[in-house]
Amino acid sequence: QLTQSPSFLSASVGDRVTITCRASQGISSYLAWYQQKPGKAPNLLIYAASTLQSGVPSRFSGSGSGTEFTLTISSLQPEDFATYYCQQFNSYPPFTFGPGTTVDIK
Amino acid sequence: QVQLVESGGGLVKPGGSLRLSCAASGFTFNDYYMSWIRQAPGKGLEWVSYISSSGFTIYYADSVKGRFTISRDNAKNLLYLQMNSLRAEDTAVYYCARTYIEVAGGERWFDPWGQGTLVTVSS
Repeated sequence: QLTQSPSFLSASVGDRVTITCRASQGISSYLAWYQQKPGKAPNLLIYAASTLQSGVPSRFSGSGSGTEFTLTISSLQPEDFATYYCQQFNSYPPFTFGPGTTVDIK
Repeated sequence: QVQLVESGGGLVKPGGSLRLSCAASGFTFNDYYMSWIRQAPGKGLEWVSYISSSGFTIYYADSVKGRFTISRDNAKNLLYLQMNSLRAEDTAVYYCARTYIEVAGGERWFDPWGQGTLVTVSS
């Protein structure tokens, strides 16, 4: 099981934003992060906990292993307002997603 | 470019059936695993099913086991989801996603995802 915190956060353009994903048991580094904008399909940002997917801006970064992981946006841009999901690939099935964190404009 | 396009969604009565399709292009389809994921209105993502590149290994979420069947036609670059005994709680946007799992390494992901197809189960 994956939990995310916070569930919702308000931030301003230029802010540094950190989202946490916690696993109920150790999942090594088998974690991915996705961004989803309203009405659109999710988009892969990071896999293996910290590897940036090709084409994703470098302001996105991921870290962690075991049970605690973070997604950081170093300087929030207008296009980053979206919902972010983590997903575990350590023990499957199922390929569990976290409940999501919505980043909104302050 | 790599592209996935779902089709087959629509309105169906409880207890009815529907078959979703996912057309793949821009990559060697039979080299990749594939998955279906759904998202109920206003809710989060729920993984539904997975199929290996050959079709030999298949997994389902407990919520759909025994009612849904995943399959693929590698000659036609098509992925399917046959959905039977549909319930109101199956109402969702259904996405297909290319799936990569590096058995010995850490590279594991769903990418890309199709645009989704809406399934509404209602009388």
